[in-house]
Amino acid sequence: KAGVTQTPRYLIKTRGQQVTLSCSPISGHRSVSWYQQTPGQGLQFLFEYFSETQRNKGNFPGRFSGRQFSNSRSEMNVSTLELGDSALYLCASSPTSGGAVGTQYFGPGTRLLVL
Amino acid sequence: AQSVTQPDIHITVSEGASLELRCNYSYGATPYLFWYVQSPGQGLQLLLKYFSGDTLVQGIKGFEAEFKRSQSSFNLRKPSVHWSDAAEYFCAVGATGTASKLTFGTGTRLQVTL
Repeated sequence: KAGVTQTPRYLIKTRGQQVTLSCSPISGHRSVSWYQQTPGQGLQFLFEYFSETQRNKGNFPGRFSGRQFSNSRSEMNVSTLELGDSALYLCASSPTSGGAVGTQYFGPGTRLLVL
Repeated sequence: AQSVTQPDIHITVSEGASLELRCNYSYGATPYLFWYVQSPGQGLQLLLKYFSGDTLVQGIKGFEAEFKRSQSSFNLRKPSVHWSDAAEYFCAVGATGTASKLTFGTGTRLQVTL
């Protein structure tokens, strides 16, 4: 099976702009989670979507939002970008049945630079 | 709230030497535990996981980890390190039943000298 794919891989934006990142999960995986990775804060959970509904949410401001489509693909959006939003954004998908349930498989990430 | 501590920020070992990376977790029940590896500029690759059962779990690339409930630890080991193992290693904990919200440690950067 193909792995988790994320687009774009690299992105440069300026402060105040908004950005949308996309994630395609492994075929058959219905849960998609998003994480932010920065040198200062490490890996932090943003949110998780399952069946087009947000199931879990981390401690991020409302500028960070996401959604999931009926084919399980997910997008996350960051509005009014700040310099501190520069990070590697990782998407992970997880099966919701079978022996690997609860195991998250990560994509290569989208590196966002905010100038 | 769950938490993970990786006390070693940076470890250097010689190629062929054994390796042990430490991980301590805090969680009210038996958690789901994971080790991931990340090469520069890449995503996270799952090395192994513990959900229940045998406390010694085998993973990919010759890695293993042992769950010790009494010590709240899940240390990663490899008997003989290869230069290609140089990377950053993350321990993570997820809530029992659903590991969709992982809490990660700060990572241990492994350097391998030839």
